[in-house]
Amino acid sequence: AQSVTQPDIHITVSEGASLELRCNYSYGATPYLFWYVQSPGQGLQLLLKYFSGDTLVQGIKGFEAEFKRSQSSFNLRKPSVHWSDAAEYFCAVGPYSGGGADGLTFGKGTHLIIQP
Amino acid sequence: DTGVSQDPRHKITKRGQNVTFRCDPISEHNRLYWYRQTLGQGPEFLTYFQNEAQLEKSRLLSDRFSAERPKGSFSTLEIQRTEQGDSAMYLCASSPSLLLGQGSGELFFGEGSRLTVL
Repeated sequence: AQSVTQPDIHITVSEGASLELRCNYSYGATPYLFWYVQSPGQGLQLLLKYFSGDTLVQGIKGFEAEFKRSQSSFNLRKPSVHWSDAAEYFCAVGPYSGGGADGLTFGKGTHLIIQP
Repeated sequence: DTGVSQDPRHKITKRGQNVTFRCDPISEHNRLYWYRQTLGQGPEFLTYFQNEAQLEKSRLLSDRFSAERPKGSFSTLEIQRTEQGDSAMYLCASSPSLLLGQGSGELFFGEGSRLTVL
């Protein structure tokens, strides 16, 4: 079964500083990888996704992520964070293969705090 | 707005009562998913539909939970005899079918229905 590990529960970054959120996955085939962001009380919004090809993918809001097969990682980065980036970030892998569903398996999330 | 919509956004109920949530997916999406999210956790898969057929249910979906998608459009998730442990955000998502060569695995989420069981 697939799994996703986000080792950092909380990360605090100063506004304007760079950001890297870690994600490691376990998956038996070529994964589809996603990063979603969730603001308080809201649903999940897709930041970016990787299926194949270029291992560095660009997303919305200035985010990017790099797929490293050898490390089973898909870390999210942003060169300069803004106060509005404060949110919960979820890494996900799919398609979910348990019994044939094509949904996603999510990590537990990383809570990003932005300091002024 | 053509996104996924969920109703109600918030529900407070007493233990033992029944509750029902509704999800309206993006109209051209034939797959619909229900996830549950508790505080400090990522979304956990509950069940999904391909059109009107419920194709998989997670072990998290006890027999007090039932989901339907009668006409392959909107879906309902009912929880009978609610327990305090059912308190969570219930998220609905939709997507085109991968089997038909559509879509890319991305799920489109609604804003969720938050359940509080007292």
